[in-house]
Amino acid sequence: DAKTTQPPSMDCAEGRAANLPCNHSTISGNEYVYWYRQIHSQGPQYIIHGLKNNETNEMASLIITEDRKSSTLILPHATLRDTAVYYCIVRGGGIGGFQKLVFGTGTRLLVSP
Amino acid sequence: DAGVTQSPTHLIKTRGQHVTLRCSPISGHKSVSWYQQVLGQGPQFIFQYYEKEERGRGNFPDRFSARQFPNYSSELNVNALLLGDSALYLCASSLELAGSYEQYFGPGTRLTVT
Repeated sequence: DAKTTQPPSMDCAEGRAANLPCNHSTISGNEYVYWYRQIHSQGPQYIIHGLKNNETNEMASLIITEDRKSSTLILPHATLRDTAVYYCIVRGGGIGGFQKLVFGTGTRLLVSP
Repeated sequence: DAGVTQSPTHLIKTRGQHVTLRCSPISGHKSVSWYQQVLGQGPQFIFQYYEKEERGRGNFPDRFSARQFPNYSSELNVNALLLGDSALYLCASSLELAGSYEQYFGPGTRLTVT
């Protein structure tokens, strides 16, 4: 699995967009980018994933650069409840087979009033 | 639908004891994974089971073992507990169909070893 690099912490004002970057320069062609978040003392929560196209769901948008070496998770209108540690993970794709999640240290996002 | 459930929520054990943690996956999910999260770090992979077979194992000692039952629920067992085993133990389930491999986590079991 490719390694990811994220800033240790970020701040965001409530109501503004939070843009969380992730560098994954060693990603290979069949590896997906996954984003999870973990609110204090809870289990990680799946947010979104993508291969090479930009993706959007009810929680967030994922922008992957054309060379796939980096991506950005966008929370369009951050709320206080979005305060959490955000993990960017690269994992293999394909059908079936052993696929584990390798968590780094993530980005601690603090949303303030 | 209910999410991933884990029991117990918290427990305290003494060094040298044995512990069993339980996990029920989301209905229809056949894959269960276990992770250990020590305070201040990201979760670390321990085991993955699919259709009752071990499919992967992380870098953990043989004191750690697990199994998956016919109903896809799972148990994680840890023998000869050490102080360093104190952590949040997380279970995650996955549907494992084409295009749907994301893992959904339970709330975890907080284990304290004294």
